[in-house]
Amino acid sequence: QSVLTQPPSASGTPGQRVTISCSGSRSNIGSNPVSWYQQLPGTAPKLLIYSDNLRPSGVPDRFSGSKSGTSASLAISGLQSEDETDYYCAVWDDGLSGPYVVFGGGTKLTVL
Amino acid sequence: QITLKESGPTLVKPTQTLTLTCTFSGFSLATSGVAVGWIRQPPGKALEWLALIYWDDDKRYNPSLRTRLTITMDTSKDQVVLTMTNMDPVDTATYFCAHGHPPETWGQGTLVTVSS
Repeated sequence: QSVLTQPPSASGTPGQRVTISCSGSRSNIGSNPVSWYQQLPGTAPKLLIYSDNLRPSGVPDRFSGSKSGTSASLAISGLQSEDETDYYCAVWDDGLSGPYVVFGGGTKLTVL
Repeated sequence: QITLKESGPTLVKPTQTLTLTCTFSGFSLATSGVAVGWIRQPPGKALEWLALIYWDDDKRYNPSLRTRLTITMDTSKDQVVLTMTNMDPVDTATYFCAHGHPPETWGQGTLVTVSS
């Protein structure tokens, strides 16, 4: 059971805009910047979004991030078949025993 | 160009201690602000963050695994080492090391199987 809650699955058709949510609490999303990762099968995760809504160089602007209160979202516009894979949110948690990083449970995106 | 590569045993027995080494290039852990962390992923499951070490030797651990983990660095060798004690079959996973906080550049990962 992850500290951050993501929907197990999401879907959309090519060209559509889809969003993936990540729900947390005051001690994590409510206090710290959120990152998002894309993980293709059999490969290491790739950083898509950091500091809630910033994209590393090379990440298409089809990917965007937002945050409100204790929830964050990843939006993918102009959905493409190659976007079909797993997505994870991550954030620091200001735990009682010291800060640590938590990941969401992951969302599998299907392009119909 | 930043690269990282994990190395260590592919098979460990229950109760044994796992030692993994992350060898990196393209940055120095002697540089202010730099950090290297470890993350694992059981087959078919989600990512789980394990530990992080900063350039100044400050360390952070997953509280649920804190008693079993130790992270250290060797700046002369450009390496970060993670040890995990008392291994159990549920610790079977691909173990990744990554540069940055949040993790930016990741290694390819190494699959560790815990079985007698």
